[in-house]
Amino acid sequence: DAEITQSPRHKITETGRQVTLACHQTWNHNNMFWYRQDLGHGLRLIHYSYGVQDTNKGEVSDGYSVSRSNTEDLPLTLESAASSQTSVYFCASSESGKETQYFGPGTRLLVL
Amino acid sequence: AQTVTQSQPEMSVQEAETVTLSCTYDTSESDYYLFWYKQPPSRQMILVIRQEAYKQQNATENRFSVNFQKAAKSFSLKISDSQLGDAAMYFCALNAGNNRKLIWGLGTSLAVNP
Repeated sequence: DAEITQSPRHKITETGRQVTLACHQTWNHNNMFWYRQDLGHGLRLIHYSYGVQDTNKGEVSDGYSVSRSNTEDLPLTLESAASSQTSVYFCASSESGKETQYFGPGTRLLVL
Repeated sequence: AQTVTQSQPEMSVQEAETVTLSCTYDTSESDYYLFWYKQPPSRQMILVIRQEAYKQQNATENRFSVNFQKAAKSFSLKISDSQLGDAAMYFCALNAGNNRKLIWGLGTSLAVNP
């Protein structure tokens, strides 16, 4: 069955380190999204992509970057992790022309 | 600006009873989609139901149905015959215009009492 996976599921890192969170989907969806979820803020969009080589900034993109070299993967990189980036991160994807987003299981990141 | 408001941070229901979760939204677009997602303690985001704005008929999925009031910009979720497994955080979301992004409410935490 097609799915969307995220790795790692849990990560502890130190302030200042570079961290990359992986997202892989097998639906062949063109659209992919990264969100962070924090208490009191709901889900906030970090970056998104509408296809290979396309990336766009969301509402909370500072300190994060993404790249899209193929359809299946959209890795999220924290250039220099900060304690404010402690959060749960969700990846999602949707089919072109379709509005329904399907979510991965999430990655819980702790920055010490 | 597009917004989604869930005015009930927490709700509870007795098992087998019916509960309604509220959601209001704002958009100037005429073509949009509304969603309810469920997030159980596992944190997995699960699509519960979706509604296309151009459709008059309210969407239903088994025990889940919506009351879509387009003029009032209201999109409530009704859960019938509540089950213990329905206990979760429920999020209302809006997709409007051509940007394919979702605008999220802050969620309603639903407890189901045995």
